Amino acid sequence: DAKTTQPNSMESNEEEPVHLPCNHSTISGTDYIHWYRQLPSQGPEYVIHGLTSNVNNRMASLAIAEDRKSSTLILHRATLRDAAVYYCILTFQGGSEKLVFGKGTKLTVNP
Amino acid sequence: GAVVSQHPSWVICKSGTSVKIECRSLDFQATTMFWYRQFPKQSLMLMATSNEGSKATYEQGVEKDKFLINHASLTLSTLTVTSAHPEDSSFYICSAPVVAGPRTQYFGPGTRLTVL
Repeated sequence: DAKTTQPNSMESNEEEPVHLPCNHSTISGTDYIHWYRQLPSQGPEYVIHGLTSNVNNRMASLAIAEDRKSSTLILHRATLRDAAVYYCILTFQGGSEKLVFGKGTKLTVNP
Repeated sequence: GAVVSQHPSWVICKSGTSVKIECRSLDFQATTMFWYRQFPKQSLMLMATSNEGSKATYEQGVEKDKFLINHASLTLSTLTVTSAHPEDSSFYICSAPVVAGPRTQYFGPGTRLTVL
């Protein structure tokens, strides 16, 4: 599985935008970029995914670099409930469905 | 989005007993489910892949005789921790993928197991 690199932690203030980076320099053409987050004492939840184009949904936006070697998860207005560990994971269409979790980025949101 | 449930949400048991954890996909069918274990302040570690109608596939280092997995139907997988010991205390999480497309997965809320 292609590997991703994320900062261990980030901090934000409430109601400010947050940009969570992810590097995936070995991404292949058919790898999807998935983001999941895990709130304390809960199972992970799906946030967003993309392949080549930027994506928006009700939770967040995903900006994918033109060369696809990096991506950024954007929370437009952070709330206290967004404090979580965010995981950037690549999935290979047609390959194993297994997800390999790295350490993710722990996001702290200050009131 | 799709919903995955787990039962129980927490369980405390005595050392040497067995504990069964259920994982259900509530509004979709899942021929495959995954079981993860998460120790405090660590990331999720995949334990095994549960396959409906066939044997589970275990990750390297996971004892298949200790962690029994049964995928009884297209909506239910169970994980039984046999002869539990304190070192098995952990947060157990299941997931099920959406069949088509980019293989997005939906996770259960997790089960906190404490073995005394």
